[in-house]
Amino acid sequence: QVQLVQSGAEVKKPGASVKVSCKASGYTFSSYYMHWVRQAPGQGLQWMGIINPSGGTTIYAQKFQGRVTMTRETSTSTVYMELTSLGAGDTAVYYCAREGERWPPSHFDYWGQGTLVTVSS
Amino acid sequence: EIVLTQSPGTLSLSPGERATLSCRASQSISSSYLAWYQQKPGQAPRLLIYAASSRATGIPDRFSGSGSGTDFTLTISRLEPEDFAVYYCQQYGRSPRTFGQGTKVEIK
Repeated sequence: QVQLVQSGAEVKKPGASVKVSCKASGYTFSSYYMHWVRQAPGQGLQWMGIINPSGGTTIYAQKFQGRVTMTRETSTSTVYMELTSLGAGDTAVYYCAREGERWPPSHFDYWGQGTLVTVSS
Repeated sequence: EIVLTQSPGTLSLSPGERATLSCRASQSISSSYLAWYQQKPGQAPRLLIYAASSRATGIPDRFSGSGSGTDFTLTISRLEPEDFAVYYCQQYGRSPRTFGQGTKVEIK
């Protein structure tokens, strides 16, 4: 069965960076795009970007350009999301989510359990 | 960017009642690239509907989606206790992928 297992909660100081991992299993890792979505406390869902695990190409939401980097490690079927220059507004639960098909554009059929990142001095 | 506006913000209903949730897009969504997700407290979102009207695997048939262009609807025919949650629409036809702000379905 498809599973996306994320790394544990993090507490970071303002200005620091965080790197969240998402380990995939139960399917061919390189065949499906992976997205990152975040959710601030009590708020809605915000799309951050997409990575193609096959070639590593990425597209980031404009809001996060320059601060976010998504990478993958094919040997372990893991994708990573690193966010730098953290501020209080980055306190949120970060989710990885698999896109259901490569083409045409598709919905998110599986989600990780979420990783809470807290930014506090 | 396509902005999705969901209404109402909160829907107060009793178990057994019908729920009708709306999602309006600022631009036409091609090929009905619209999905609905359900989220319960402390859980990740769960896919309910994709391509505007197709139910995801394992989703009960009391959930149905409809609409095209800029206006989409999620209907829950008879609310079960486990259906009280927050529902989000999402468009995936154009980048950036965007979500609505959510509709909370609460017990009246």
